[in-house]
Amino acid sequence: DTEVTQTPKHLVMGMTNKKSLKCEQHMGHRAMYWYKQKAKKPPELMFVYSYEKLSINESVPSRFSPECPNSSLLNLHLHALQPEDSALYLCASSPREAKNIQYFGAGTRLSVL
Amino acid sequence: AQRVTQPEKLLSVFKGAPVELKCNYSYSGSPELFWYVQYSRQRLQLLLRHISRESIKGFTADLNKGETSFHLKKPFAQEEDSAMYYCALSFSGGYNKLIFGAGTRLAVHP
Repeated sequence: DTEVTQTPKHLVMGMTNKKSLKCEQHMGHRAMYWYKQKAKKPPELMFVYSYEKLSINESVPSRFSPECPNSSLLNLHLHALQPEDSALYLCASSPREAKNIQYFGAGTRLSVL
Repeated sequence: AQRVTQPEKLLSVFKGAPVELKCNYSYSGSPELFWYVQYSRQRLQLLLRHISRESIKGFTADLNKGETSFHLKKPFAQEEDSAMYYCALSFSGGYNKLIFGAGTRLAVHP
């Protein structure tokens, strides 16, 4: 398996809902990332996990809560989001031997109503 | 602060014409530069990185530290090259951030 898999592909949620985004990779990569991409904009880094520990939080609001339960799985828990949080959420991973090369998932398109 | 600038939002060329997508960066240390590409309905993927100095799909990019540039070039564009191209910068130490430029959409017309 040489892909980063994200589920769901699409998600619509209300501002009072709690939902989670899931990202999986089975390439043995030990760094995983969450990005947010608004329409016609580049991806913006949100979080970096290294060896299952949070190493970078780019001052993301607490309504976004990441979790890395094991080396293959990365979650992003969502609670009390705002309509402006609607975006494409991308997950990526990178290998230890080439840690600057990131492999991206197809993304979850999130709409907050 | 680290920054990546792609001055063109859209580059429109005809098939067979040369292509140059511009990228300039701002970083005081030793950066690592990348070009990522996103074809329609496909995921963002690495096209090439400066330290590998290779040609991928006919594209090359040379890091010019004096001009702080990493322009992407291809001598003869193909229709299948139409995509969104992002220049990205990473800097040393640990699992790094990728800082992306705003992107350039390349449209290759028949």
